[in-house]
Amino acid sequence: TQLLEQSPQFLSIQEGENLTVYCNSSSVFSSLQWYRQEPGEGPVLLVTVVTGGEVKKLKRLTFQFGDARKDSSLHITAAQPGDTGLYLCAGTSGGYQKVTFGTGTKLQVIP
Amino acid sequence: SQTIHQWPATLVQPVGSPLSLECTVEGTSNPNLYWYRQAAGRGLQLLFYSVGIGQISSEVPQNLSASRPQDRQFILSSKKLLLSDSGFYLCAWIPFRAGKGEQYFGPGTRLTVT
Repeated sequence: TQLLEQSPQFLSIQEGENLTVYCNSSSVFSSLQWYRQEPGEGPVLLVTVVTGGEVKKLKRLTFQFGDARKDSSLHITAAQPGDTGLYLCAGTSGGYQKVTFGTGTKLQVIP
Repeated sequence: SQTIHQWPATLVQPVGSPLSLECTVEGTSNPNLYWYRQAAGRGLQLLFYSVGIGQISSEVPQNLSASRPQDRQFILSSKKLLLSDSGFYLCAWIPFRAGKGEQYFGPGTRLTVT
């Protein structure tokens, strides 16, 4: 069974602070996605990383895939209240068909 | 463009009653389809996935079942609900042989078993 552990589980920070969320596994994944979810809605895709060591930036968000494709991180610079939500990582295997979701990180950015 | 629908949006059912949740996708063919359950503020638990009509893979033994009677229709069912079946149920799809595993989610169904 593949597991993806996210840390921290909860994070409450002031607007303007930086933060990093981690997604770790002992399994190798073909690709890894990050999603953000608002209460009562479905998750929305933020990014996909495929190559070991890959780094992608989405405005103030920086995503990195570990060299061995077993872990990933999400770094947010100068957090804004609009960044508040549940962040989920997800790893794929089996030709991208099988998806394993992480345990989730709930972020609250206080104005 | 592709869209995904789920209904109902909310549901309150007594213990022991049957369940049927429906998910349909528009604007695509041969998608991979997924059912997840989510506890409040937590990650997603994969329940079932399907790579084609009549092809269902079960990830977690439980009193739920899934069916895919048509290419773009995915149904989650139960004959007798348990209190532990309460949660937020999400349907998702992945394009056929495209992308790198990116999933697109429906709006979800909030199920409360009383």
